[in-house]
Amino acid sequence: KQEVTQIPAALSVPEGENLVLNCSFTDSAIYNLQWFRQDPGKGLTSLLLIQSSQREQTSGRLNASLDKSSGRSTLYIAASQPGDSATYLCAAGDGGTSYGKLTFGQGTILTVHP
Amino acid sequence: SAVISQKPSRDICQRGTSLTIQCQVDSQVTMMFWYRQQPGQSLTLIATANQGSEATYESGFVIDKFPISRPNLTFSTLTVSNMSPEDSSIYLCSAGLRPSGTEAFFGQGTRLTVV
Repeated sequence: KQEVTQIPAALSVPEGENLVLNCSFTDSAIYNLQWFRQDPGKGLTSLLLIQSSQREQTSGRLNASLDKSSGRSTLYIAASQPGDSATYLCAAGDGGTSYGKLTFGQGTILTVHP
Repeated sequence: SAVISQKPSRDICQRGTSLTIQCQVDSQVTMMFWYRQQPGQSLTLIATANQGSEATYESGFVIDKFPISRPNLTFSTLTVSNMSPEDSSIYLCSAGLRPSGTEAFFGQGTRLTVV
């Protein structure tokens, strides 16, 4: 059974800092790895999707990497802004007959203060 | 990308009653998923809803408590039956656009409070 762990559980940084969020998963036979953002009381916004054959994906100030062999993914946020404050979730995607099924980590609560 | 609409966005319900949550996708998808997010927790998969077949439930979730319908490729419902305060959660539906390399998209969720 896949298990996903995120470190740290919470992070508070001043505006402008570069930061790294970590995600690890126990079963390396993932189909993809997806990072989401969740604002309080809201649904999930997809940030980046990394296919199992890829090493990284970039979108604006966000960069996500994937190392399947070590069971790790990182989300790098450059030049953080107060608007980045949210909970960040990583999710490992199943393949085969279970494609689309996601196993989520517990999330990292990010606070960026001015 | 896909746009997923959920209704209702929130509700307050009496214990012992049932609530049906609707999920509409703006494109045809093979598989839809229902997740639960309890207060302060991450998302847990309840079941996978396949069009034209019975839903597949994860361990700890049963059809009598969470019946699911999937009448076509763009729509699904989740019913939370005989509710208790422990059912107070955010319920989210999700869909993937295609079999390979699928990116999962989520609705905005239904915030349920049972009193």
